[in-house]
Amino acid sequence: DSGVTQTPKHLITATGQRVTLRCSPRSGDLSVYWYQQSLDQGLQFLIQYYNGEERAKGNILERFSAQQFPDLHSELNLSSLELGDSALYFCASGTGDNQPQHFGDGTRLSIL
Amino acid sequence: DAKTTQPNSMESNEEEPVHLPCNHSTISGTDYIHWYRQLPSQGPEYVIHGLTSNVNNRMASLAIAEDRKSSTLILHRATLRDAAVYYCVGGTSYGKLTFGQGTILTVHP
Repeated sequence: DSGVTQTPKHLITATGQRVTLRCSPRSGDLSVYWYQQSLDQGLQFLIQYYNGEERAKGNILERFSAQQFPDLHSELNLSSLELGDSALYFCASGTGDNQPQHFGDGTRLSIL
Repeated sequence: DAKTTQPNSMESNEEEPVHLPCNHSTISGTDYIHWYRQLPSQGPEYVIHGLTSNVNNRMASLAIAEDRKSSTLILHRATLRDAAVYYCVGGTSYGKLTFGQGTILTVHP
């Protein structure tokens, strides 16, 4: 158990819809990272938050957004969903740069 | 971002050592080399990381070449539970991990 909790575990929705994925980091971790894993692209970094502030951005689409709340949990919002957004979305947390990241078990998003 | 190159797959027998190689010739001088592994239906799991010196922990050892262009993850005695995809991850910036395709490790009983 990594200590990182992601909900829901599975999400099935239709094209054009909007969903919210939630992540609770390990106790004491200030950084939250979001990753997308698909069969053709592998694991890709999306975005990082540190203590409520956006710290780094990767290959995140404009239709996607995230935030980190004062209690340090984070949400990833995906809108105008397309078939290609079907993937596993992982959240990880850590204490800082160049330190281990601890991953949750992911949310499997299926777009029909 | 540093690009890493790993063999697609490797095989080992149980209780034998395993050496998983990785090339990361474009890594910058201040970026750490991380190794993660991923079991089916799970998120990646941290294994080990280092900057310049060889590192050991309860899971594995990491041997980093002097020029930092390559490294080797060493599992001293493979078990069936070590069968996973192993990712060599280089070039972190603000904690960003850039994953490659990884090595699928098969462990035979």
